[in-house]
Amino acid sequence: EVQLVESGGDLVQPGGSLRLSCAASGFIFTDYNMNWVRQAPGKGLEWVSYIHSTTTTTYYADSVKGRFTISRDNAKNSLSLQMNSLRAEDTAVYYCAREYCSGGRCSFDYWGQGILVTVSS
Amino acid sequence: EIVLTQSPATLSLSPGERATLSCRASQSVSDFLAWYQQKPGQAPRLLIYGASNRATGIPARFSGSGSGTDFTLTISSLEPEDFAVYYCQQRSSWWTFGQGTKVEIK
Repeated sequence: EVQLVESGGDLVQPGGSLRLSCAASGFIFTDYNMNWVRQAPGKGLEWVSYIHSTTTTTYYADSVKGRFTISRDNAKNSLSLQMNSLRAEDTAVYYCAREYCSGGRCSFDYWGQGILVTVSS
Repeated sequence: EIVLTQSPATLSLSPGERATLSCRASQSVSDFLAWYQQKPGQAPRLLIYGASNRATGIPARFSGSGSGTDFTLTISSLEPEDFAVYYCQQRSSWWTFGQGTKVEIK
């Protein structure tokens, strides 16, 4: 059974830092690109970041570029998101999501349960 | 950035009725479009990928169509568990989501 389990969410002050983790199991982690998606309270979904399965190529939404860093440890089947210079508008539930591609058509087929990050003084 | 606009924002229907949800892209995304369902307090669930392909385990009452800039998610006969928020997502350029359509019980 595919499982993605996020951890590390917390209440943090503006300007602070936080590191989220996502533990993956039930599939061959190195076969899949991974992503972070967030959802502010009462709002829609926002893609945050992507990392390739093996090359460690990364991409970021403009809203987090230069502040967030995505990484993965394929030996530990783990995905991380280092978040620095946090702002109130970063308050959201953060999801890790597995990217599934079939014939070039990609989507997010498995999601974690989500972890809440609150940025407030 | 490709913008996805979903309509309507809210759809009020009764169980057994047909639901038609629209997603329009600001420029062509070919068929690189997916649909998700999200219920309160839960993670999104993949319904449709490649505009028209049902994901594993998704009931046949869900269908997707369209290409280029105009896409439709159809639920042929609403079941009680289908009342939720639905999002479209494109992958032509970096991932973006539509703002969502809430399907509520009339």
